[in-house]
Amino acid sequence: GQSLEQPSEVTAVEGAIVQINCTYQTSGFYGLSWYQQHDGGAPTFLSYNALDGLEETGRFSSFLSRSDSYGYLLLQELQMKDSASYFCAVKPPGGYQKVTFGTGTKLQVIP
Amino acid sequence: GAVVSQHPSWVICKSGTSVKIECRSLDFQATTMFWYRQFPKQSLMLMATSNEGSKATYEQGVEKDKFLINHASLTLSTLTVTSAHPEDSSFYICSAIPGGPNTGELFFGEGSRLTVL
Repeated sequence: GQSLEQPSEVTAVEGAIVQINCTYQTSGFYGLSWYQQHDGGAPTFLSYNALDGLEETGRFSSFLSRSDSYGYLLLQELQMKDSASYFCAVKPPGGYQKVTFGTGTKLQVIP
Repeated sequence: GAVVSQHPSWVICKSGTSVKIECRSLDFQATTMFWYRQFPKQSLMLMATSNEGSKATYEQGVEKDKFLINHASLTLSTLTVTSAHPEDSSFYICSAIPGGPNTGELFFGEGSRLTVL
C-alpha cells in the first residue's frame, strides 16, 4: 500500500518562505507531485519530481530524496493568495495507475 | 493544458434518491478516469478507477452497487450515487491523465458538492 504523511497545518507570514514536508511509504514509486487546493475548489498541479533533486517553478520549488522517501514543497515570497491546502501525491510505475494523495497541509498566510 | 469538466458543480437531493455526476475530458481522450471523494478538512480518497468499455475498479471499502460508474465513451465517465444518504454528502472529484509524455500531472474536474438532506 501507499501512505504519505504531511504536517496538518502551517502558518507563515506574508513575504516569508515556508517548507511543507512529505514523507512516504510506497510499494512502488514513479514520482512525487504537489497540488494546491483552495477551499471549495479542485486541486491544481504545482510541481513534479521524478528524480532526486530540486525542481523550480517560479515562486514554488519541490525537492525529492528517493533514498529517504522524503520530499518537500518550498514556497517563497508568500502571498495571501497562497493560503490553501497542499497535497503531495505519488504515482506508482506502470502507466495510467492510481495516484495516492498525502494527508494534506493547510497553509495559512498571515499579514 | 488538458481540460476536464464536471457537472453538476453542486447538487442537493433528498435521502433515498439517486444522483448522477458527469465527468468529461474536453480536449483529449481518456481511457481511464479516476473518481475521488473528499470530506471536509480531509484528503482526497480514491473511490474507483473508471475504465472505458469495461467495469470500474473499486477501492477497498467502496460499495460498487451504491456508487455506479459508467465509462461508455473515451470522453465521458459518470458516477451515480444510488439511494443517497446524508453520510454520502461530500465533494466528489474526477480526474484523468492525457496520453503523451509523463509530467506527473493529474487533471481534475471542478468537483461536485453533494448534499443529501
